[in-house]
This record gives sequence, structure tokens and C-alpha cells, in this order.
Amino acid sequence: QVQLLESGPRLVRVSETLSLTCTVSDVSINNNYWNWIRQPAGRGLEWIGRIYSTGSTNYNPSLKSRVTMSIDTFRNQFYVTLNSVTAADTAVYYCARAFRDYGDAFDIWGQGTMVTVSP
Amino acid sequence: QSVLTQPPSASGTPGQRVTISCSGSNSNIGNNYVYWFQQLPGTAPKLLIHRNDQRPSGVPDRFSGSKSGTSASLAINGLRSEDEADYFCSTWDDSLSGLYVFGTGTKVTVL
Repeated sequence: QVQLLESGPRLVRVSETLSLTCTVSDVSINNNYWNWIRQPAGRGLEWIGRIYSTGSTNYNPSLKSRVTMSIDTFRNQFYVTLNSVTAADTAVYYCARAFRDYGDAFDIWGQGTMVTVSP
Repeated sequence: QSVLTQPPSASGTPGQRVTISCSGSNSNIGNNYVYWFQQLPGTAPKLLIHRNDQRPSGVPDRFSGSKSGTSASLAINGLRSEDEADYFCSTWDDSLSGLYVFGTGTKVTVL
């Protein structure tokens, strides 16, 4: 069964860099887009960006200046960094697969990891 | 700020039909597939509908999706207590360099 698992620091200081890893199990990371999505408490979902196995990326224009994604196909992991964080970046961060056979719908999600930005 | 508009809430009694709307524009719903997600409290979203009206395996056929022009809808037939959750629509938006967008979310309450 395909599983995604987010990992990384739960607490990040204001103005510093948030870094998360998504580990993909039981499926190759090749041939699909891999995404990061976040959700502030009690609010809606925001797409951060995606990366393909070749390393090609697309970012949300509202975050593009602060986001970097990368991928390691040998480790079956992909990553996100968000720099110059503020309290507004406090959220649950999810990684998700965009499945080509489903028209690039997010069919598999990680459990999510809560990241708090503190002063 | 979400570019897809959903009603904040919907409700029904067990067995009833509930419909949730999702309104967008030509750059998103009008030109791309619509997806629907269910999110139970404290859990990750779950894909209910892909490619406008297709259900992944394991999703009950009580859930159905449709799309017309720049709007889409999710219908839940035979409402059950376990359907009480938040529901989000989503699609790709062709504006700027392209991005996925989500709806504002609808809380479904089973009375």
C-alpha cells in the first residue's frame, strides 16, 4: 500500500527556514508529480508546489520567492524548504501524490505534520 | 484567498440527498478537471472524485460529481452519519504560471 510520511522540525523560529521531507513507500517516485499542500488550523487548503521525478518544479506564485523543492529518486524522498517564515506559515503541512491516471488528482496524502512558527 | 467558492455549510438527515456547489472561472473549472475531497476532523483529505465525475476504487457510489461550464457539484445520496465532514473542491488554474486551487470548503452536518 502506497504511503507518504512527512518529517521535519515541528517548531521553526520567525525569519528562519522551514524544511520538510516526504518519504514515499511502496511505489516508485518516478512518473508522477509530488506535491506539498498546507492547511492553517481551522482554514482551507493551500497548494505550495509540485516536483516531478526529473526535478522540474512548479510553485504557487504567492510563495514562489520563498519556496524550493527537490527530489531524491534513489531515497524515494522529496523535500520542501520555505525561507523567511512568519507566523502566517504556521500550518499542517501535507505531501501528496498527483496521480496521472486520475487526471493528476491528489490520490495519496501523508498524515500531515504540524509546523509552528514561533517568535 | 480561495478562487473557488463553496457554501460554508450544508446539512441533511440520514438518507437524504445533499448537494455542494463549487463555483470558479474559465481559467480553472472551465478548462480543467475538478476533484473533490472529504476531510474528517484531524485527518488528511481523502480523494472522493477525480476527473469531474470519476470515483476512485473504494469510494461508495453514494458520492457523485458533475461539472458544467465554470461550476461543479458534489452530491451525497443516502446521507450517513459518517459523512459528517468538510468537503473541498479543487482544480488546476491556468492563470499566471499555473497552480492548483482549492475551494473554500463546506461543512456537512448530519442532523
